[in-house]
Amino acid sequence: EAGVAQSPRYKIIEKRQSVAFWCNPISGHATLYWYQQILGQGPKLLIQFQNNGVVDDSQLPKDRFSAERLKGVDSTLKIQPAKLEDSAVYLCASSPLRGRQETQYFGPGTRLLVL
Amino acid sequence: AQKVTQAQTEISVVEKEDVTLDCVYETRDTTYYLFWYKQPPSGELVFLIRRNSFDEQNEISGRYSWNFQKSTSSFNFTITASQVVDSAVYFCALSEANTGTASKLTFGTGTRLQVTL
Repeated sequence: EAGVAQSPRYKIIEKRQSVAFWCNPISGHATLYWYQQILGQGPKLLIQFQNNGVVDDSQLPKDRFSAERLKGVDSTLKIQPAKLEDSAVYLCASSPLRGRQETQYFGPGTRLLVL
Repeated sequence: AQKVTQAQTEISVVEKEDVTLDCVYETRDTTYYLFWYKQPPSGELVFLIRRNSFDEQNEISGRYSWNFQKSTSSFNFTITASQVVDSAVYFCALSEANTGTASKLTFGTGTRLQVTL
């Protein structure tokens, strides 16, 4: 079974530029998550989708971050404009359903460096 | 609010030593789930174990074992006879319900384990 796919793996941009990350979850998984992991910290949830609807985006900086999951499968996370503090690893995860008992399976992440 | 504390920032051991990674959590929920993930240098978080709050039985999987103690709100992870391939950052995480039936996974800050020859 294929795991969670993410691209690109690495991205370097200058501040105020825009960037987009792509995620394809495990086939059949209804719930998709985007996390931000700053160096030396644990991942922090940015947004959670159930199929193509947003379940929780309370920690998403909506003035610059946006995400969508059209057709309830793959998802795109965008940052516009980027700030220096956005330098982090962006992890995508998926789970079969939603609920606290569900195990989340993670992709390899996208390492973003904002100069 | 839920919180996960991994007080050990970094641990170094020599191969074949046993090592225990500590995890302490805070939650107001009576029903919750605890997880351990491994993050090797490649960056991907690898799922290791899930334990619910009603099951305090210790679990062993090969060289890995987990000790869940509700009385002390701890969920510690022991690697027996460590190997170089065990070198990674290990995260403890807590899942409890937030809005509706949605779940929110809160991670600790991780413990970096370095196993040397």
